[in-house]
Amino acid sequence: GEDVEQSLFLSVREGDSSVINCTYTDSSSTYLYWYKQEPGAGLQLLTYIFSNMDMKQDQRLTVLLNKKDKHLSLRIADTQTGDSAIYFCAETLDSWGKLQFGAGTQVVVTP
Amino acid sequence: DAGVIQSPRHEVTEMGQEVTLRCKPISGHNSLFWYRQTMMRGLELLIYFNNNVPIDDSGMPEDRFSAKMPNASFSTLKIQPSEPRDSAVYFCASSLDTPEAFFGQGTRLTVV
Repeated sequence: GEDVEQSLFLSVREGDSSVINCTYTDSSSTYLYWYKQEPGAGLQLLTYIFSNMDMKQDQRLTVLLNKKDKHLSLRIADTQTGDSAIYFCAETLDSWGKLQFGAGTQVVVTP
Repeated sequence: DAGVIQSPRHEVTEMGQEVTLRCKPISGHNSLFWYRQTMMRGLELLIYFNNNVPIDDSGMPEDRFSAKMPNASFSTLKIQPSEPRDSAVYFCASSLDTPEAFFGQGTRLTVV
C-alpha cells in the first residue's frame, strides 16, 4: 500500500480555513513537504518542515507535524479561489528530492 | 533563473516508436530527478542523479526506459520501444544540497 495517505477531496468556502491532512509511515523521514499542482502545471513547492519541528508558519500557510502519530497537516487561512488545486503531501526517503508522494487532495474553493 | 525546463511539453507517438524527453535543471543544481505521474499510480520516482551520476534507478519500470545525464545542464529520459501504458506526465526536478526540489512543467506523453 501507499506509504503516504491523504483524503482525496476537500470542498471549502472562500474566506474559510482549509485543513488538508496526511499520514505517513516512514518514521525515518527527515523532511515532509506540501506541493501544489494546478491543472496542466508542474508541482509548486509550498512549504516543508524538518521532522524535529512541530509547526511551521509561512504567511497564510501553517504546517503541523505530529511525529508520534505520523500525521502532517496543512492549514490555509482565508482560502481564495486561486487556492483551488491538488495538494500533495510527500516525505523524503533516503535523499533530498527523493520523495514519496501521497495521492493528492483536490481542494475546491467555492464562492 | 527560468526554473527547470522540460521539452517537449506534449508528445504524441505511435506504439513502438522511440521517445526522448529532455530536461534542463536549474543552473548550479547538482541533483536531478525524473518522476512519472499517472492516474493509477500517482507520482513515482523513476531515477535520480547526483553530480551527473545515476544514484538510484530502482524506479525505472523496465529495460525499455533509460536515462542519461551527460553534463550538469542536461538530462534525457528515453523510452524505446514505447507502449500505450507509458502514457503519463513525466516530470523533471532539480535541487542543490537542500531539501527543496523544484519541478519542471512536465511532458505529457501519449502513446497511441
